[in-house]
Amino acid sequence: GESVGLHLPTLSVQEGDNSIINCAYSNSASDYFIWYKQESGKGPQFIIDIRSNMDKRQGQRVTVLLNKTVKHLSLQIAATQPGDSAVYFCAENSIGYSTLTFGKGTMLLVSP
Amino acid sequence: DGGITQSPKYLFRKEGQNVTLSCEQNLNHDAMYWYRQDPGQGLRLIYYSQIVNDFQKGDIAEGYSVSREKKESFPLTVTSAQKNPTAFYLCASSTSTGTDTQYFGPGTRLTVL
Repeated sequence: GESVGLHLPTLSVQEGDNSIINCAYSNSASDYFIWYKQESGKGPQFIIDIRSNMDKRQGQRVTVLLNKTVKHLSLQIAATQPGDSAVYFCAENSIGYSTLTFGKGTMLLVSP
Repeated sequence: DGGITQSPKYLFRKEGQNVTLSCEQNLNHDAMYWYRQDPGQGLRLIYYSQIVNDFQKGDIAEGYSVSREKKESFPLTVTSAQKNPTAFYLCASSTSTGTDTQYFGPGTRLTVL
């Protein structure tokens, strides 16, 4: 767990800033996308999901944007807090496939 | 309190030994999964099961075995044939396979001595 973030891309922000974490996918047939948060030494937690018939979905302090034209997914976190520090990764799936494909993740570091 | 539990949290194995990792869920999910996580890498699928008494190999099944005798339980055995077993192992479940959200357990860290 504590070494999950080794060698991952890192985004460093100040507390209160907005954070944007990006994810590119390659399968144009992907139609379901999920963002997970993983804290050190713990299992991934579901944050938010979006299906391909939507461009945007909002949750509490989080927004996911989907651009199918360029196969790009982003997670926006508003008013980032120190407790948001974690590894964030996206996952995707396509109709007819039984399993998700996971990205490698981005480490978010929030300074007080 | 619904969720997915994994035990033990930490496990140490001597070379040549088989060890079994436990995964239990009380979410009434049909599908269960085992992943391996190594530093700086995405989750890699070991095995998954869509229904009791049925399971399929994932991308890295060699050296691992599973069983699904009960809906709630999906234990993973790491055999001596797995050459590099030190990793963080995660179990997940979902309502069904495919485009359903997977929910994860807290993980088991396996270290080979």
